[in-house]
Amino acid sequence: DVKVTQSSRYLVKRTGEKVFLECVQDMDHENMFWYRQDPGLGLRLIYFSYDVKMKEKGDIPEGYSVSREKKERFSLILESASTNQTSMYLCASSLSAGGFLGEKLFFGSGTQLSVL
Amino acid sequence: KNEVEQSPQNLTAQEGEFITINCSYSVGISALHWLQQHPGGGIVSLFMLSSGKKKHGRLIATINIQEKHSSLHITASHPRDSAVYICAVSLFGNEKLTFGTGTRLTIIP
Repeated sequence: DVKVTQSSRYLVKRTGEKVFLECVQDMDHENMFWYRQDPGLGLRLIYFSYDVKMKEKGDIPEGYSVSREKKERFSLILESASTNQTSMYLCASSLSAGGFLGEKLFFGSGTQLSVL
Repeated sequence: KNEVEQSPQNLTAQEGEFITINCSYSVGISALHWLQQHPGGGIVSLFMLSSGKKKHGRLIATINIQEKHSSLHITASHPRDSAVYICAVSLFGNEKLTFGTGTRLTIIP
């Protein structure tokens, strides 16, 4: 079974701190995604990556950056955490086969981040 | 306006009942996903379909491309089916998924 592992289940940070959220997948997937989930809004894409060192902005990239130095690891960085970044963060991956329209996604268990 | 609409937003039913959750979308798509999220956050992909019907155990997903509509059915519902069910679509020319806001299902023993 594919496993997508997020480093922390719960995280509490202070305003202005730099925050790293780590995600690792073990199935050699090319595509990796970071989403945030807020009540009433559904999942929203922050950034995605379709290859090592490649990244693309999603719908809400402001205040975030990402890093993908190795294929299996995709990191989300909050350069200076703010209270409006309190949310559930979900990482996902999918196998790319010449294009990733309609690829099945595999999700991590999520990180609930609270910024105080 | 969200391009993906789910109904109902909340659904409570007795154990054993037949459950239907609906998803409508407004543009052409390449594929539609049904996802399940249990309390605690983890999301599991249930189905990915672009036409017709798929079945897995007590779960059935159907899609009507012409009507831009999909349904998720659960037969002989059980309390362990209690979860949030999320519909998501891959839009033509857009590799990113667009998600509905989910249907919260509660099955009472």
